[in-house]
Amino acid sequence: ETGVTQSPTHLIKTRGQQVTLRCSSQSGHNTVSWYQQALGQGPQFIFQYYREEENGRGNFPPRFSGLQFPNYSSELNVNALELDDSALYLCASSLVGGAHNEQFFGPGTRLTVL
Amino acid sequence: AQKITQTQPGMFVQEKEAVTLDCTYDTSDPSYGLFWYKQPSSGEMIFLIYQGSYDQQNATEGRYSLNFQKARKSANLVISASQLGDSAMYFCAMREGRRDDMRFGAGTRLTVKP
Repeated sequence: ETGVTQSPTHLIKTRGQQVTLRCSSQSGHNTVSWYQQALGQGPQFIFQYYREEENGRGNFPPRFSGLQFPNYSSELNVNALELDDSALYLCASSLVGGAHNEQFFGPGTRLTVL
Repeated sequence: AQKITQTQPGMFVQEKEAVTLDCTYDTSDPSYGLFWYKQPSSGEMIFLIYQGSYDQQNATEGRYSLNFQKARKSANLVISASQLGDSAMYFCAMREGRRDDMRFGAGTRLTVKP
């Protein structure tokens, strides 16, 4: 296990609702990245947080937003949910300046939008 | 354009045999890192092996080795002595230069047969 935890494990929402997903990074890691993995596809980068600031963003609309807290844990918020938001959401932590900056992933939150 | 291409949607291998999973990549950045991750049905992405673009030797980690052919832009994963527990999705990923995000391929589903 990587030490990265995510909650909840599963979530069911309806179109138009809002959702908050949570991630606790591995001890000592200062960077958190979020990915969306649709069924049968590889993960797609949503954004990354470093020292509580957004540090890079993929091709996702503004209704995807995030936070990082002083303890480096993070939240992903998605407003106005759409059916296509149904996916596995993965959080990954890393240490800037680490050996390869490899990212260690949590178990994911599976979001279903009805 | 696809940055990471995995052309094998599914692969089968007999237990105790070796298997090669293909990955080709596209970048104009001279500095990049290549990663392989394993994703069991539980969903968690497990880091397997890393190869830096300036590394002179192919990376190895236990039963995993990376066949890095820079001129061909390929980074194939070789798993030796396959075990039943190796059955999973395998993803190749790349981080270019100082970018924050990792780009993933579509994955290869490996099934190890007893």
